Amino acid sequence: AQTVTQSQPEMSVQEAETVTLSCTYDTSESDYYLFWYKQPPSRQMILVIRQEAYKQQNATENRFSVNFQKAAKSFSLKISDSQLGDAAMYFCAYRSRTSGSRLTFGEGTQLTVNP
Amino acid sequence: GAVVSQHPSRVICKSGTSVKIECRSLDFQATTMFWYRQFPKQSLMLMATSNEGSKATYEQGVEKDKFLINHASLTLSTLTVTSAHPEDSSFYICSARDRASLRGYTFGSGTRLTVV
Repeated sequence: AQTVTQSQPEMSVQEAETVTLSCTYDTSESDYYLFWYKQPPSRQMILVIRQEAYKQQNATENRFSVNFQKAAKSFSLKISDSQLGDAAMYFCAYRSRTSGSRLTFGEGTQLTVNP
Repeated sequence: GAVVSQHPSRVICKSGTSVKIECRSLDFQATTMFWYRQFPKQSLMLMATSNEGSKATYEQGVEKDKFLINHASLTLSTLTVTSAHPEDSSFYICSARDRASLRGYTFGSGTRLTVV
């Protein structure tokens, strides 16, 4: 079974600075998807970024980018120019491409943005 | 974009009663619906997966008779918590698989259930 680990329960960053959230996963599969989701205080889950394992290029979405290291099974999220609205719980998630469509979530990292 | 409407957003019920939570996909066909439970400051725990027109698949440790899931149409799935007890108090979230969207999954806004 796949597992996803986020080793940082809490992180904080100053507004306008850059922060990196860590995520590692364990799988025996070679083809899969990885996601970062944001859950603000409203509790609505919002997709931040998605990476397909067969793509070597790291995904980027505006101020959000990932560092995908397939061999190391690492998938970190970098948030540049942090904004107050980035404060939220961030979840890393894994989905197999071949065996079912369920998402496996990490424990989450609570990000605080200080003004 | 794809939207999943989840209702109610909050519900308080008496111990022993049943509560139904609805999730509707508004502009796409949700062939698969996932139901999660989330405790404060914790991750989402998958309870069950349902495919339209077939029985739900429950995760280990989740009581099928207590958490009834119905996915009778491509746009509606329901979770009924039967004979609710205070320990069932939690935040419940649905997520629909949207195959037509590159985003893949659309989440409902969640339901906070309090059993008194």
